[in-house]
Formats: sequence, structure tokens, C-alpha cells
Amino acid sequence: DAGVIQSPRHEVTEMGQEVTLRCKPISGHNSLFWYRQTMMRGLELLIYFNNNVPIDDSGMPEDRFSAKMPNASFSTLKIQPSEPRDSAVYFCASSVQRGGTGELFFGEGSRLTVL
Amino acid sequence: SQKIEQNSEALNIQEGKTATLTCNYTNYSPAYLQWYRQDPGRGPVFLLLIRENEKEKRKERLKVTFDTTLKQSLFHITASQPADSATYLCALDTVGGATNKLIFGTGTLLAVQP
Repeated sequence: DAGVIQSPRHEVTEMGQEVTLRCKPISGHNSLFWYRQTMMRGLELLIYFNNNVPIDDSGMPEDRFSAKMPNASFSTLKIQPSEPRDSAVYFCASSVQRGGTGELFFGEGSRLTVL
Repeated sequence: SQKIEQNSEALNIQEGKTATLTCNYTNYSPAYLQWYRQDPGRGPVFLLLIRENEKEKRKERLKVTFDTTLKQSLFHITASQPADSATYLCALDTVGGATNKLIFGTGTLLAVQP
């Protein structure tokens, strides 16, 4: 398997623009996680899905952020409108959840810069 | 409030020595604890998982301990090598209730000097 695939790897945009980050989890994994990483706050969980259903979105900063998982092989994280404080590396991860979260497999991340 | 704390300072050690990294937590009752390695510009990579009823887990040169009374995990790398230089993250698996999720500490940067 190719692992978790994220796109784009880098995105530079201007404040107010819409940003869409994409993720393809590992086939057969039933859980998908979106994390954000910054120097100040480390790796923060934004939202996670189990069997394509959003289970916990308590980490989503505000209404400007939304995430979808229309099927088992694709998820998006959207920021609209974007702000400079959204600049961070966004990671998608997937796992096979049986009881516990299980081992997370991370993508290479999408580095977002909002000017 | 809930906290996961790792050594905030970078850890510098000499090649061949044992590196010991600490993960302390408050106001969590994790069923599992995991350790990950992260290299610059890359996503974290899973290393080890230890359950709350396990005291110690080993994998090659790695050893993890988990003390639920002290609310602490120690991560050891024996016979350290420059290639072990990276950031190491601990993560608590908060199993139970309606959701379970993996919450990460801020990480410790390890530098192994040749």
C-alpha cells in the first residue's frame, strides 16, 4: 500500500481565500484523523471519523473549519475564509480501530501558509 | 486541566549512551500509551504501544515503561546512534465513553552526537 496520501504538500494563499486539503487513507482502515501541528501548540487533534462518520469534532477551532468523509477512501478539510493564524502543517492519519485507537499511520502533511 | 508534558529542552547525548525521555500526564486515565518518532518535514511514525496493565515493553533497542500511579512513561533508546536523532512524541489513548482518541504531547528533540 502507498500509505496515507495527502495533497497538496504545500499551499500558500491569501487571507480570506478558501483552502481545501485532501486525504486518502490506507485501504481497510476504519478511522481517519485530522491533526494540526504548530511550534506553539504541537500536534492538535481537530476531528476524527470512524467508518466515515464524524465522531469527535471538539478540536475544530471554529466554524471556518469543516471536514467531510464522503466515502472510505477520501476525506477533505476545508478552511473558509482562511486567516494567517491558520498557518500550520495539517496531518491526516488513519488506523484500524479495535477497542483502542490503534497505531496511527500519518501522511506527509500539508504545509499551509496564509499571508 | 488536562496536560501531557515531555522534556521541553532538547536532549543531547553521546553516541552509544542510553537516551531516556519522559512523558508525564495529568487528569487523564489512558488505557494505552504510544510513542512516535518524527523527522523534520515528515509525519510521525509509530514506534511502540503499551497498555495500562503492562509495566514495560521492548522492541530492539527501545524500551518503554508505563506507571499509571506516577502518571508517567519513560522511553529509553539504548546504544544510541546519530540516526536516532529526531523528535519523539508520546500520545495517550483516551479509550472509553463515547469516543476514544489519541492526544499527543509536545515532543522532545533528541540529538545524538557522534
